[in-house]
Amino acid sequence: DAGVTQTPRHEVAEKGQTIILKCEPVSGHNDLFWYRQTKIQGLELLSYFRSKSLMEDGGAFKDRFKAEMLNSSFSTLKIQPTEPKDSAVYLCASSLGGKNTLYFGAGTRLSVL
Amino acid sequence: GQQVQQSPASLVLQEGENAELQCNFSSTATQLQWFYQSPGGSLVSLLSNPSGTKHTGRLTSTTVTKERRSSLHISSSQTTDSGTYLCAIDRSNMGYKLTFGTGTSLLVDP
Repeated sequence: DAGVTQTPRHEVAEKGQTIILKCEPVSGHNDLFWYRQTKIQGLELLSYFRSKSLMEDGGAFKDRFKAEMLNSSFSTLKIQPTEPKDSAVYLCASSLGGKNTLYFGAGTRLSVL
Repeated sequence: GQQVQQSPASLVLQEGENAELQCNFSSTATQLQWFYQSPGGSLVSLLSNPSGTKHTGRLTSTTVTKERRSSLHISSSQTTDSGTYLCAIDRSNMGYKLTFGTGTSLLVDP
């Protein structure tokens, strides 16, 4: 079975641009998460979907970050407009739900110049 | 303040030595998980241990819920164990809202 697939692996953007990160969860998983990882802050939850419904929108990340899940096998994270402080690794994860194991993708490394 | 604190921040071992990683958390945790992240790689769940002691392979985790701490013991370390070990707790009791520590970076030299 395929794991969580994230594309692209690397993204370079100019300040002010719009970027869209993509994620395909493990087939059959009900929960999907977007995290941001930096050395200083570690992993921060951006969004959480359960059965395609947005359950958590990340509080402080609401303004310029928007995650969508149009179907059960595909999610996007849009950052608009990008700022240099958005430079980080963006991780997508999925699980069957509840306390089941969380499976992570390899991440997208975003650099904003 | 930081809700999940891990120590040490980094650790260097010789192959064959044992490692002891610590995780302390400031609020009640209904779930505690240990993850491994290889250099430049994705996170992989190692084990879930909200209380007591669990073993898997060369890994042993002991969580003392009342004292809000957990440890991860790696026995007979190998160079392939090098990477970052992350502790995460769930405070929501809903199984999804994990709060991660910033990790322990482990380097095992041959």
